[in-house]
Amino acid sequence: QSALTQPASVSGSPGQSITISCTGTSSDVGSYNLVSWYQQHPGKAPKLMIYEVSKRPSGVSNRFSGSKSGNTASLTISGLQAEDEADYYCCSYAGSSWVFGGGTKLTVL
Amino acid sequence: QLQLQESGPGLVKPSETLSLTCTVSGGSISSSSYYWGWIRQPPGKGLEWIGSIYYSGSTYYNPSLKSRVTISVDTSKNQFSLKLSSVTAADTAVYYCARLLTGDRVFDYWGQGTLVTVSS
Repeated sequence: QSALTQPASVSGSPGQSITISCTGTSSDVGSYNLVSWYQQHPGKAPKLMIYEVSKRPSGVSNRFSGSKSGNTASLTISGLQAEDEADYYCCSYAGSSWVFGGGTKLTVL
Repeated sequence: QLQLQESGPGLVKPSETLSLTCTVSGGSISSSSYYWGWIRQPPGKGLEWIGSIYYSGSTYYNPSLKSRVTISVDTSKNQFSLKLSSVTAADTAVYYCARLLTGDRVFDYWGQGTLVTVSS
């Protein structure tokens, strides 16, 4: 069970859009539409932003969206805001287990 | 409002057993809609799923940790617990407990986390 692959860092200017990729295998991301994304600010617990690939929990801004193609899931944040600067983690169900990505640091320039 | 709170020693000696408890308030741990899980994060690193438990006691463990991990539940106290044996410095991490939705397979509520350092 290997960690999902995410870029170490991405950046964007306020108002722009960015996309974070999350690549797994046919045993996890590719097999289940059960990918979730978490936002983590320094010293805080992760916060659920997207679940089941593209669903948003109540209270999460519609600037956050998710998608999946094959073994790769993606998180897109549109209209970047300063408060979006954080670490982002993807997570996939892998059949009686869960695997996280290594995390992506988003910098808002 | 559901709340999860981790508790336990912040310092554990190498080769000993790490023990943590998660107390759930604002909801019942015995609901059929949820599993309960442990996730850890070494300093400056990413998240790692440790294992999950249902109120009945059914468990799932990370294969890489399975030989050292035991997760148990106490429904009378609305708590679940983690034991990790034979710890080394590599087990130093912030340990989070979280609620896992059975249908969506997603961790939707998290505790604040507790730092456990393995050192002599």
